[in-house]
Amino acid sequence: ETGVTQTPRHLVMGMTNKKSLKCEQHLGHNAMYWYKQSAKKPLELMFVYSLEERVENNSVPSRFSPECPNSSHLFLHLHTLQPEDSALYLCASSLDTNSKLFFGEGSRLTVL
Amino acid sequence: AQSVTQLDSQVPVFEEAPVELRCNYSSSVSVYLFWYVQYPNQGLQLLLKYLSGSTLVKGINGFEAEFNKSQTSFHLRKPSVHISDTAEYFCAVSGASGGYQKVTFGTGTKLQVIP
Repeated sequence: ETGVTQTPRHLVMGMTNKKSLKCEQHLGHNAMYWYKQSAKKPLELMFVYSLEERVENNSVPSRFSPECPNSSHLFLHLHTLQPEDSALYLCASSLDTNSKLFFGEGSRLTVL
Repeated sequence: AQSVTQLDSQVPVFEEAPVELRCNYSSSVSVYLFWYVQYPNQGLQLLLKYLSGSTLVKGINGFEAEFNKSQTSFHLRKPSVHISDTAEYFCAVSGASGGYQKVTFGTGTKLQVIP
């Protein structure tokens, strides 16, 4: 138990669906992150939020839309995804952007 | 730019045998180095980290790693593995950039402990 909770744990969606992934932490952390983990590839940093402000966007397609309404919650809105977007999406948080990362258990996404 | 190379994608080892998981990095600046572990169906958990000081770093669950600057390596070792060590291990490197930490991960090494 790392204190970072992700829901849903598993999600199957069609290419025309709209869905959202949710991440929640009650560790008092000010930075939150979305990573993509695909088979046989390094973890890819997608987005970084610090104090609810996006500070990093690593050339992620616009079909992925992050939202950070407050320092405890982070969402990843999904729209018109492609099969190659199927992956494990990991949320992480840290006290600040210079502190160690605490990861959630991930949301396994399958796009049909 | 920084990168991490984990040379072995899978490492099978018998229970109670020693193991070494290899990691090499490249970076143009001073680095921080990490090993993370991912158990099945779970997120990543920090195993150990090197920030400065002693080059031999001890982590949780009996693991240790040695920072070798001349060989740009940060290999992970355990003298005697248990079944419960079966997991995927990720080496990572970070440097300071724009005031915040940017972590680059390797592709991972799956450790399979055989009874």
